[in-house]
Amino acid sequence: NAGVTQTPKFQVLKTGQSMTLQCAQDMNHEYMSWYRQDPGMGLRLIHYSVGAGITDQGEVPNGYNVSRSTTEDFPLRLLSAAPSQTSVYFCASSIGGGWNYGYTFGSGTRLTVV
Amino acid sequence: TQLLEQSPQFLSIQEGENLTVYCNSSSVFSSLQWYRQEPGEGPVLLVTVVTGGEVKKLKRLTFQFGDARKDSSLHITAAQPGDTGLYLCAGFPGRFYFGSGTKLNVKP
Repeated sequence: NAGVTQTPKFQVLKTGQSMTLQCAQDMNHEYMSWYRQDPGMGLRLIHYSVGAGITDQGEVPNGYNVSRSTTEDFPLRLLSAAPSQTSVYFCASSIGGGWNYGYTFGSGTRLTVV
Repeated sequence: TQLLEQSPQFLSIQEGENLTVYCNSSSVFSSLQWYRQEPGEGPVLLVTVVTGGEVKKLKRLTFQFGDARKDSSLHITAAQPGDTGLYLCAGFPGRFYFGSGTKLNVKP
């Protein structure tokens, strides 16, 4: 099925470790974004991209890096994991970043940092 | 402080009951979206409303955008267990901001 694929589904990291969360979409969407979801906080934007080679910060970018070398892929890198980064991470894509476009979300990565 | 406040936070009802959940803000939105999220999955888009006062229906779900485009409501008629999930609203002033959601549990 076409959509957004995230891997892994679950991950446990030790404090200070680094890792990459993978996100791929096969809908030729230009806009891709990463959110984290924490209880009572809603979905908060980490980073986003409006096309290959273009990325920008959202509201909670500290501790995370992104790159967008192809239209399809948008990996999220945790540089040095901290317990505060324990969360559920969602990748989303859209035809564009405007008000009239809906997002397609992946099924999420549940990350625990111990 | 979140841009969008959703209420109630939790709602547990019996199958067949009607319910309304709310999404409120002091900001004006170009559009507002509603998503439903099931446990272990990502949110799925239900509807986008754009015009003040707009009403959209999706089977038993009725969505309304406030006249001033600052708030929205979702009404479910004759709720079913399959309606169980987290309902999120998202408003667009420059980019989409999400509320923290209403967690709905419909008991058989």
